[in-house]
Amino acid sequence: GDSVTQMEGPVTLSEEAFLTINCTYTATGYPSLFWYVQYPGEGLQLLLKATKADDKGSNKGFEATYRKETTSFHLEKGSVQVSDSAVYFCALTSNSGYSTLTFGKGTMLLVSP
Amino acid sequence: DTEVTQTPKHLVMGMTNKKSLKCEQHMGHRAMYWYKQKAKKPPELMFVYSYEKLSINESVPSRFSPECPNSSLLNLHLHALQPEDSALYLCASSRLAGASGELFFGEGSRLTVL
Repeated sequence: GDSVTQMEGPVTLSEEAFLTINCTYTATGYPSLFWYVQYPGEGLQLLLKATKADDKGSNKGFEATYRKETTSFHLEKGSVQVSDSAVYFCALTSNSGYSTLTFGKGTMLLVSP
Repeated sequence: DTEVTQTPKHLVMGMTNKKSLKCEQHMGHRAMYWYKQKAKKPPELMFVYSYEKLSINESVPSRFSPECPNSSLLNLHLHALQPEDSALYLCASSRLAGASGELFFGEGSRLTVL
């Protein structure tokens, strides 16, 4: 079945540091890939998405590129802020069915001033 | 309007109580979902409704009973819950049923079962 593996956290960074959160996936066919973010005490928000190979999703300074050859969708940001502290979930949906998301376990990011 | 609204935000109930969680969206989405999220874990899919019909039930115990009265509303009826059912319950919707797409999540209802 489909699965998503993302790096264990927490990831602890100082403000303005470079961020990478690794995500790899296993899926049949051509899944769509997503990064969702969950701020403390809140629900999930879509951060960015990519629906085909070599697509780059971007939002709020975050970027991720759909790499089919390495089955990866790593999240990057050039300069993190304290307000970026949250849990980040990598996820995929298969190209059939009812848009059910397969989530990774989540990576907590803690940014200090 | 790009919101999924869930009520109540917090709920405390005893094991013999009956309560309901409510979810509403006005984006014209035809698929709606219930997820359960325990602390420090990813959300787990419970139910999927497609065009107001239950299409997926992920082997959820019968003490959880979903209902979709119309295309904008989704309820989760709770009865005889256990303390281990305490969790954040997330509702989500997507534009199309039967195709991949992004999900819009509500902020969740945090349930505590005493």
